Amino acid sequence: EVQLLESGGGLVQAGGSLRLSCSVSGPTPYEMVWVRQAPGKGLEWLSYISRSDNIIHYADSVKGRFSVSRDDAKNSLYLQMNGLRAEDTAVYYCAIRADYGAFDPWGQGTQVTVSS
Amino acid sequence: SYVLTQPSSVSVAPGKTASIPCGGDNIGRKSVHWYRQKPGQAPELVIYFDSERPSGIPERFSGSNSGNTATLTISRVEAGDEADYFCQVWDSSSNHHVFGFGTKVTVL
Repeated sequence: EVQLLESGGGLVQAGGSLRLSCSVSGPTPYEMVWVRQAPGKGLEWLSYISRSDNIIHYADSVKGRFSVSRDDAKNSLYLQMNGLRAEDTAVYYCAIRADYGAFDPWGQGTQVTVSS
Repeated sequence: SYVLTQPSSVSVAPGKTASIPCGGDNIGRKSVHWYRQKPGQAPELVIYFDSERPSGIPERFSGSNSGNTATLTISRVEAGDEADYFCQVWDSSSNHHVFGFGTKVTVL
């Protein structure tokens, strides 16, 4: 069974940057997504990256500030977050987008806190 | 942008049936996926392709999708089913994935 593990979260000041990583236990020939959840709120999809890295999509809320990438040699997915705002405070999850379009499995999440 | 609406909460007695609607414009033309999230845990897929169950999900969980409403049904509800439930689709017009607002299921 594939497992995902996020890392790189932490406390950062508004305007700062963070780079999240998602380590996949095994080869990463998968489509992958990032999703976040603000405190007490619902799930918000952030980004999608295709297997071959040639198709990338972003939610409007992060487009131009966040950048997704992958390194299949390291079985890893990344999310570079620039220009962070207080409203970016959330738990960030990575997940595999399965062939049938659903997200499965998910990582356990990493907390990002942006102080204003 | 495409919007999915869910009731904020649903309450159900043990042993009864819980129905969680997910409304969206012509959602019946899309594939709907459902996730369960227990407190402090990551979301978990419970239904995909409207009505398919991943391995390990009990038969008590079922789904349907038609017209403007998709529905997750939990039969013979147990205390362990208390969680937040989210529906999700892919909007081809925007290439965005969209989640519903989420429904908190409380077992009385």
